[in-house]
Amino acid sequence: QKEVEQDPGPLSVPEGAIVSLNCTYSNSAFQYFMWYRQYSRKGPELLMYTYSSGNKEDGRFTAQVDKSSKYISLFIRDSQPSDSATYLCAMSGDMRFGAGTRLTVKP
Amino acid sequence: GAGVSQSPSNKVTEKGKDVELRCDPISGHTALYWYRQSLGQGLEFLIYFQGNSAPDKSGLPSDRFSAERTGGSVSTLTIQRTQQEDSAVYLCASRPGTGVVDTQYFGPGTRLTVL
Repeated sequence: QKEVEQDPGPLSVPEGAIVSLNCTYSNSAFQYFMWYRQYSRKGPELLMYTYSSGNKEDGRFTAQVDKSSKYISLFIRDSQPSDSATYLCAMSGDMRFGAGTRLTVKP
Repeated sequence: GAGVSQSPSNKVTEKGKDVELRCDPISGHTALYWYRQSLGQGLEFLIYFQGNSAPDKSGLPSDRFSAERTGGSVSTLTIQRTQQEDSAVYLCASRPGTGVVDTQYFGPGTRLTVL
């Protein structure tokens, strides 16, 4: 079993839709939870990070952590074609990444 | 300022050859990471440097893989006797220090193809 599980998709949605991306993890020692966005042929860039259970909002993006269920989510509101990318969850102490979900937002 | 750079951007090699991949981290960043990204597999951790030492090299897949870092800056990942399954994008990331939430800054990667 992988430490971090993430559905690789692909996920295709129409512009304006609410997108939900999810990861589960098995290691309860993970303390920090991050979401990275990776455009094609580029390196990942940090989008958001959270520490405690609950929600953290940044513009159209909301990160949610449920430590009791070992489940994290990223919500994108009013999705735009420019949001089309691969989204990777990551967990720390040790940096462990999910497989990444490829998202396409169609105009 | 300059970000993390990697070279070459693309490398095509024949099975059995050795390759060297280079990473230039952001100046002053003490921590450096190597990852491998295969299609649909996400980022696979390879090795972590703090300064010139590698406290965690648990992700190196075999003894054909090695890495070094000199002067607390440039790092080289070497793959000996390459195999087709080594084909992937190799990403390097650096971050300022040892803080857990320090942002990792990624380079654009080296796309390795082993024929």
